[in-house]
Amino acid sequence: DIQMTQSPSSVSASVGDRVTITCRASQDITSYLAWYQQKPGKAPKLLIYAASTLLSGVPSRFSGSGSGTEFSLTISSLQPEDFATYYCQQGDTFPWTFGQGTKVEIK
Amino acid sequence: QVQLVESGGGVVQPGRSLRLSCEASGFTFNDRGVHWVRQAPGKGLEWVAVIWYDGSDERYADSVKGRFTISRDNSKNTVFLQMNSLRAEDTAIYYCAQDLTKNYFHYGADVWGQGTTVTVSS
Repeated sequence: DIQMTQSPSSVSASVGDRVTITCRASQDITSYLAWYQQKPGKAPKLLIYAASTLLSGVPSRFSGSGSGTEFSLTISSLQPEDFATYYCQQGDTFPWTFGQGTKVEIK
Repeated sequence: QVQLVESGGGVVQPGRSLRLSCEASGFTFNDRGVHWVRQAPGKGLEWVAVIWYDGSDERYADSVKGRFTISRDNSKNTVFLQMNSLRAEDTAIYYCAQDLTKNYFHYGADVWGQGTTVTVSS
C-alpha cells in the first residue's frame, strides 16, 4: 500500500496567516492527490483534486501544488471557518490511503 | 438537495453482522462509483471499499476483505455494505461517498453522507 505522510500533525495559526501543509507519498502517484477538510462531527469535504484543481465553490485562498511524491496545500489567508483538520488522499491505486491529518488550530 | 444518507449502524457483538445502506436523494448516482470510508473514534480516515458505477466490479481494503461486501441497487439509488464477522476494530463512523468520476477513481470523492456509527462490543 502507498503510505501518505502529512506534516505537521498540527499547526497553530491566527486569522490572516498563511498556512502550508505538506503531504509525502511513499511512491510516485503522479498528480493523483486530493485534499479534504473535516470539521468536528462532520463528514470530510473535498477541496482539491488532481493535486491542484480546486473543486467548484471552494474559496480561492486554498491552493494545492506538487507532483510525484511531494505535495502541499496552502491557505493564503486563514479565515475563522478554516480551522479544521485537513487530510491528503492518494488516488493512484487501490487501496486509497489518507494522510494522518493536520489539525489547524486557533493561535 | 443533493445528499447521501447512510443508515443501518448500531451496536453489535463481535462476530455478528450488520448491513449499512447509503441512499442518494436529490440526484441519481448510477453514473458514479461509490466508496465507503470509515473513521474510528478520534482517528483518521480509512478507505474501506468501492463499487463501480454499474456494480460490475469492487475493491476492498485488506482489513475487511473476505468479511465485508459492497453492492448496489441502482433502481433504488442505494449502495450497501454487508459487514460480517465484525471485530472491535471495526468500530467507527462509516461514510459513503460518491466518486468524482464514473470509474476513473483517481480524483477523490465529492459527495459524502453524514455517516452512520457502528460499535462492535460485547
